[in-house]
Amino acid sequence: AQSVTQLGSHVSVSEGALVLLRCNYSSSVPPYLFWYVQYPNQGLQLLLKYTSAATLVKGINGFEAEFKKSETSFHLTKPSAHMSDAAEYFCAVSEWGGSEKLVFGKGTKLTVNP
Amino acid sequence: EAGVAQSPRYKIIEKRQSVAFWCNPISGHATLYWYQQILGQGPKLLIQFQNNGVVDDSQLPKDRFSAERLKGVDSTLKIQPAKLEDSAVYLCASSPPRSALNTEAFFGQGTRLTVV
Repeated sequence: AQSVTQLGSHVSVSEGALVLLRCNYSSSVPPYLFWYVQYPNQGLQLLLKYTSAATLVKGINGFEAEFKKSETSFHLTKPSAHMSDAAEYFCAVSEWGGSEKLVFGKGTKLTVNP
Repeated sequence: EAGVAQSPRYKIIEKRQSVAFWCNPISGHATLYWYQQILGQGPKLLIQFQNNGVVDDSQLPKDRFSAERLKGVDSTLKIQPAKLEDSAVYLCASSPPRSALNTEAFFGQGTRLTVV
């Protein structure tokens, strides 16, 4: 069975500082990996996805993530945080060649301080 | 391209009452999902449809929850009778047939259900 662990339910950074949100996954088959963002009272919006091509994936709003198979990790980073980045972030996994369903982590709430 | 539409956005009901949610996926998307997101947790899949057939309903509490997708387009999710622990956001998502380019699900804004 697949699973996702997001370390840190809350992360707080200063505006302009590095954002690092951690995600580790478990999957018995090659995974597809995703980061979604959720703003208050909104649905989920895709930030970026890994689909077995380049291990460094660039997404929207300046975010990127690196797939590290040896560490079973897919951490999300952004060099300089902006106030508008404050939201909840979810890492998710699905099976390559299998079910298309997403298995989500519990989420990390990002706070950006002025 | 229109996104995934859900209604209502908010619903408050008393326990033991029934409630229904509606979802209209993106045109042409064969796969439709219903997820339950309890406060402070990530979304959990309730049911997955491929066209009008059920692919996965292993986590759907079938004694009180039901879902249908008539004609392979719109879908409804029903809860009867509701319990306090059903308070959550119910998210509908849809996705096109999977390929190297199409691997993502598109989410609606969700329906926030409060059971009192």
